[in-house]
Amino acid sequence: QKEVEQNSGPLSVPEGAIASLNCTYSDRVSQSFFWYRQYSGKSPELIMSIYSNGDKEDGRFTAQLNKASQYVSLLIRDSQPSDSATYLCAVIVPDTGNQFYFGTGTSLTVIP
Amino acid sequence: ETGVTQTPRHLVMGMTNKKSLKCEQHLGHNAMYWYKQSAKKPLELMFVYNFKEQTENNSVPSRFSPECPNSSHLFLHLHTLQPEDSALYLCASSGTINEQFFGPGTRLTVL
Repeated sequence: QKEVEQNSGPLSVPEGAIASLNCTYSDRVSQSFFWYRQYSGKSPELIMSIYSNGDKEDGRFTAQLNKASQYVSLLIRDSQPSDSATYLCAVIVPDTGNQFYFGTGTSLTVIP
Repeated sequence: ETGVTQTPRHLVMGMTNKKSLKCEQHLGHNAMYWYKQSAKKPLELMFVYNFKEQTENNSVPSRFSPECPNSSHLFLHLHTLQPEDSALYLCASSGTINEQFFGPGTRLTVL
């Protein structure tokens, strides 16, 4: 059973639109959630972390967490071509010694 | 240097070679990690070190041997690898708030 699931995409949005990326996780006791951006040929870069239910905003990025539904999402407002990348969702599973579990990532393309 | 650095950035080796990957973190973190990233697969955690002590070894074949001489340095020693070991090897570190920061990775090709 996969710990973290993401739609692999590809997801295409026009420039200026809102991109919505979704992630579900299987462990109900998880408390820490992260979004990473990975450009082709590069390493993952942390862009958002969220620990409480609700929304967390940072510039054009908003992370949304719903622990009851075991769902975390990332919204990118006013999408830019430079946002084109693979977005990885990561979850800490407490009963594995706080090990990170990553999804396979969603590929996003922002079309100029 | 800032953040997490890795050397070499690219490595091509034969199946009988012995090589080592090096990682160094300049963030004052206490935990360091080795991950393997293959195409179309999630990041696979290989090893975890907390305060220089190995705390996780996720059923990694013995042809991969980690070494952590201090909390800033991490090595991955490679010997008699297989072609299926070709991948991007990523080092990461984390501090007290558990956010992991990655190095640029080593692209490994095993011939």
